[in-house]
Amino acid sequence: KAGVTQTPRYLIKTRGQQVTLSCSPISGHRSVSWYQQTPGQGLQFLFEYFSETQRNKGNFPGRFSGRQFSNSRSEMNVSTLELGDSALYLCASSHSTTGELFFGEGSRLTVL
Amino acid sequence: QQPVQSPQAVILREGEDAVINCSSSKALYSVHWYRQKHGEAPVFLMILLKGGEQKGHEKISASFNEKKQQSSLYLTASQLSYSGTYFCGTLPNTGNQFYFGTGTSLTVIP
Repeated sequence: KAGVTQTPRYLIKTRGQQVTLSCSPISGHRSVSWYQQTPGQGLQFLFEYFSETQRNKGNFPGRFSGRQFSNSRSEMNVSTLELGDSALYLCASSHSTTGELFFGEGSRLTVL
Repeated sequence: QQPVQSPQAVILREGEDAVINCSSSKALYSVHWYRQKHGEAPVFLMILLKGGEQKGHEKISASFNEKKQQSSLYLTASQLSYSGTYFCGTLPNTGNQFYFGTGTSLTVIP
């Protein structure tokens, strides 16, 4: 059974640019959630999607957005990048909203 | 709302035991535990549900005190492979948002 796949794994952007990250969940999983991981803040919840609907959103500015497609694949977008957005962005899928999370390897974003 | 974990870091010798604590300010529906090795994704270890049900790893156990909104992870007879950062993830009674703890770095040395 294939795991959670995130692309790209690494990317470098400059301030002001935007970025789109992709996540393919485990087959059959309908819940996809996104997290930002930084050394200082740990794992911070961004948002969670279930069956194409955003069910929860963390305390991040509107520059952070996401969506989920009918095949459960999800994307997150960050516009007008800031230096502080440099982080590892992790996607996790789950069979249900309350079930165990299966994480992808993450997308490491560096903003210069 | 982020759960607080203690200790922040611990170093053990192989075969020793460790306890990692997770404390939340919110009433909890469930607590999850994950381990993340350097450069890798977090991996699920354990889930504890309100009411006492739990499932997870055979060599790692945990407790969940619903009244105190606390959970503890017990690592017995530690092995080198136990090294990593341990996170608790809490799901409050209301809402579906996970809050991950501050993390505990555990290092097992020979």
